[in-house]
Amino acid sequence: NAGVTQTPKFRILKIGQSMTLQCTQDMNHNYMYWYRQDPGMGLKLIYYSVGAGITDKGEVPNGYNVSRSTTEDFPLRLELAAPSQTSVYFCASSYSNRDNGNTIYFGEGSWLTVV
Amino acid sequence: AQSVAQPEDQVNVAEGNPLTVKCTYSVSGNPYLFWYVQYPNRGLQFLLKYITGDNLVKGSYGFEAEFNKSQTSFHLKKPSALVSDSALYFCAVRAYSGAGSYQLTFGKGTKLSVIP
Repeated sequence: NAGVTQTPKFRILKIGQSMTLQCTQDMNHNYMYWYRQDPGMGLKLIYYSVGAGITDKGEVPNGYNVSRSTTEDFPLRLELAAPSQTSVYFCASSYSNRDNGNTIYFGEGSWLTVV
Repeated sequence: AQSVAQPEDQVNVAEGNPLTVKCTYSVSGNPYLFWYVQYPNRGLQFLLKYITGDNLVKGSYGFEAEFNKSQTSFHLKKPSALVSDSALYFCAVRAYSGAGSYQLTFGKGTKLSVIP
């Protein structure tokens, strides 16, 4: 299994540009997540999905959009890039239910700089 | 609302000495607690978790963590530190976020430096 794969690894965007961060997992997990990591701030949840066709906002959703058309894929869209979106983005997945310890498996990260 | 505190931004320890990385939590109900490690320019890797049972949980790479309900703590420990343990460590707590969904709340992270 490849686990959670996200692309691109690095990207520089100009203010106002749009882009999509791709994420795919091959573990048949129902839950998928997008986090951003800023220095000294830990991880903040942007959006999550509990299954195909279902998405919901996390703690910091503004400026982002997601879709979940399949179990495997969970792309994150930045419509109008702003310098505040300079961050490291992590996609993650888990098999989660009420009785599960919800171990989350992370991708390797995408470093995004908006200039 | 649930929260996690890692009171130390950085912990320095000499190689071969025991190490402790501290974590306290606040959550309604029984906590599910996790430790993750992040090496430079990499994603987070799962180390260990506490769900129920024995308060001492053993995980990957020789790490263990002790759940203390009265002190609401879940400190990460290792008897003998290695230089290769140098990394960023995150504590997390699982909490109910509504509509049958559970989410993890992460602490801000503690940078561990093991000095040769």
